[in-house]
Amino acid sequence: GPKVLQIPSHQIIDMGQMVTLNCDPVSNHLYFYWYKQILGQQMEFLVNFYNGKVMEKSKLFKDQFSVERPDGSYFTLKIQPTALEDSAVYFCASSLISSGNTLYFGEGSRLIVV
Amino acid sequence: GDSVTQTEGQVALSEEDFLTIHCNYSASGYPALFWYVQYPGEGPQFLFRASRDKEKGSSRGFEATYDKGTTSFHLRKASVQESDSAVYYCALGSSGGNYKPTFGKGTSLVVHP
Repeated sequence: GPKVLQIPSHQIIDMGQMVTLNCDPVSNHLYFYWYKQILGQQMEFLVNFYNGKVMEKSKLFKDQFSVERPDGSYFTLKIQPTALEDSAVYFCASSLISSGNTLYFGEGSRLIVV
Repeated sequence: GDSVTQTEGQVALSEEDFLTIHCNYSASGYPALFWYVQYPGEGPQFLFRASRDKEKGSSRGFEATYDKGTTSFHLRKASVQESDSAVYYCALGSSGGNYKPTFGKGTSLVVHP
């Protein structure tokens, strides 16, 4: 099926540093999402993005978080500065139209903040 | 707001057992309903969906029927295999301007040989 690529697959970073997680969504998809999953827990919605704008974000999407997709390149999640509680696996997903459509997920980026 | 409630925690079965994972939802409008499966170390994968009342979705021997009356979309499989061991997520995606696909907490299925 359609593939979403996430880079890096894992990263260890010092608390307070900046990290950028990259997502290459399915080529003709228009909606993009980030989810956060702490080990052994449920997936939690962070944000979705369409046409260059954030459509909706959750309480987990703190002021230190930002997303963008400059010129149709990677869809990125930036955390600046990072905190210990940001340690988790971050999943990117994309869909063709709106949330009524199927989401296709990447394999996740495991972030460890030390 | 929209919500999904599914069988909590872990379901442990033996091969060839019958599987049911319950999923109930609360939403405005007429949402599409989904099942996703997540294997260890991977992202969730789409299993199947249903978009209207009484529609049955199915894939790989799994099936679920959209029931608007009971607001349910229970996952069933007649005979599970060890390879079905994974976490299963019920999800809903509204068509009425809600851009936040809502996932349940996930149910871990462990199938013993």
